[in-house]
Amino acid sequence: DARVTQTPRHKVTEMGQEVTMRCQPILGHNTVFWYRQTMMQGLELLAYFRNRAPLDDSGMPKDRFSAEMPDATLATLKIQPSEPRDSAVYFCASGTTGLNYGYTFGSGTRLTVV
Amino acid sequence: GQQLNQSPQSMFIQEGEDVSMNCTSSSIFNTWLWYKQDPGEGPVLLIALYKAGELTSNGRLTAQFGITRKDSFLNISASIPSDVGIYFCAGLNYGGSQGNLIFGKGTKLSVKP
Repeated sequence: DARVTQTPRHKVTEMGQEVTMRCQPILGHNTVFWYRQTMMQGLELLAYFRNRAPLDDSGMPKDRFSAEMPDATLATLKIQPSEPRDSAVYFCASGTTGLNYGYTFGSGTRLTVV
Repeated sequence: GQQLNQSPQSMFIQEGEDVSMNCTSSSIFNTWLWYKQDPGEGPVLLIALYKAGELTSNGRLTAQFGITRKDSFLNISASIPSDVGIYFCAGLNYGGSQGNLIFGKGTKLSVKP
């Protein structure tokens, strides 16, 4: 089964440190999403890319978050500097435009900022 | 922005019972998706609906795309313990620079054996 791979699965870091989360989308998928999940807010869209171009990052705090796709096999989400309120599970999902929009999610990165 | 209202928030049912949950929106969507999330994992797609009025089944799951394009429901028949998890609806509009998948807050399902 093709899957979206996210690393690391868990990350504990101190406030102020830089955090980088990585995602390997399914080969051939042209759309990549970053979501953040918390108990209070549920699944929030942070950013998404189509054909490696950023289409919407309005859900992301621009002063500390950045998302990139250096190539078709890697998407990154960086937080610098991290804050305790960034603690959440971050999911990457990939899919392809066309008739079927069943985006596939990775297993997530659980981030704890202390 | 667009929001999806999903209900109920949680359900406690006996094994063998049928389950029904729904999602409504103030906006129109072109596609409705239903996902299930198990603890420690990402959401997994259960059913995708692409046309208003469409009724689609996947095993014991049945979902419908509302005629107004502003709502959808998911039914689970004869529930079993492995149905436990959080079910999310998601609405999607595509075309141009769109493709943004908006999620409901989820319905947490507990099944008592």
